[in-house]
Amino acid sequence: DAGITQSPRHKVTETGTPVTLRCHQTENHRYMYWYRQDPGHGLRLIHYSYGVKDTDKGEVSDGYSVSRSKTEDFLLTLESATSSQTSVYFCAISDGRGYEQYFGPGTRLTVT
Amino acid sequence: AQKITQTQPGMFVQEKEAVTLDCTYDTSDPSYGLFWYKQPSSGEMIFLIYQGSYDQQNATEGRYSLNFQKARKSANLVISASQLGDSAMYFCAMREGDPNDYKLSFGAGTTVTVRA
Repeated sequence: DAGITQSPRHKVTETGTPVTLRCHQTENHRYMYWYRQDPGHGLRLIHYSYGVKDTDKGEVSDGYSVSRSKTEDFLLTLESATSSQTSVYFCAISDGRGYEQYFGPGTRLTVT
Repeated sequence: AQKITQTQPGMFVQEKEAVTLDCTYDTSDPSYGLFWYKQPSSGEMIFLIYQGSYDQQNATEGRYSLNFQKARKSANLVISASQLGDSAMYFCAMREGDPNDYKLSFGAGTTVTVRA
């Protein structure tokens, strides 16, 4: 199994509070991604990174920011959480050479 | 416009029978890749199979095969000899353009329930 961890695995927070989710990899892969999963939508890309300090927006980036200061860590921040951001968040990695994208275990976030 | 369409929200299949999960895609890029992932009730995303747009043969991985019909923009997953452990949500996904670019677009998923 690819070495990807996400923390926290579960979080309940209140509307308006900042939240940071962490994705950590031990594979030294160049590319990292954040997706959210909602019923009826599958997974949707929030932001992605193609190297340290190199990030770009995905399909549903409004209300989210990311940072990648080290190859192994990719942080997703909700500056001011809203109930619409209640979701399951998945991190994924790829090395850009093969075709497989490896997913982390997911973080369930509830915004009340 | 939806890039990946999975029209079957849920399916039931008898153990040991085959099941076909439908997936249609929409892209104007000549270079793309199609993926299938399995998500069991435990929540993890498990990669099953991949088909590149230039691959001449349909991809197979054990009991999984991908029925790739390029002209119809269809990439159906066939699971042969279903097992109880195949009960899960299945997602079709696509990447477009740069083969190093693995931003994926996902369908809404199909829930498969295998009956004993």
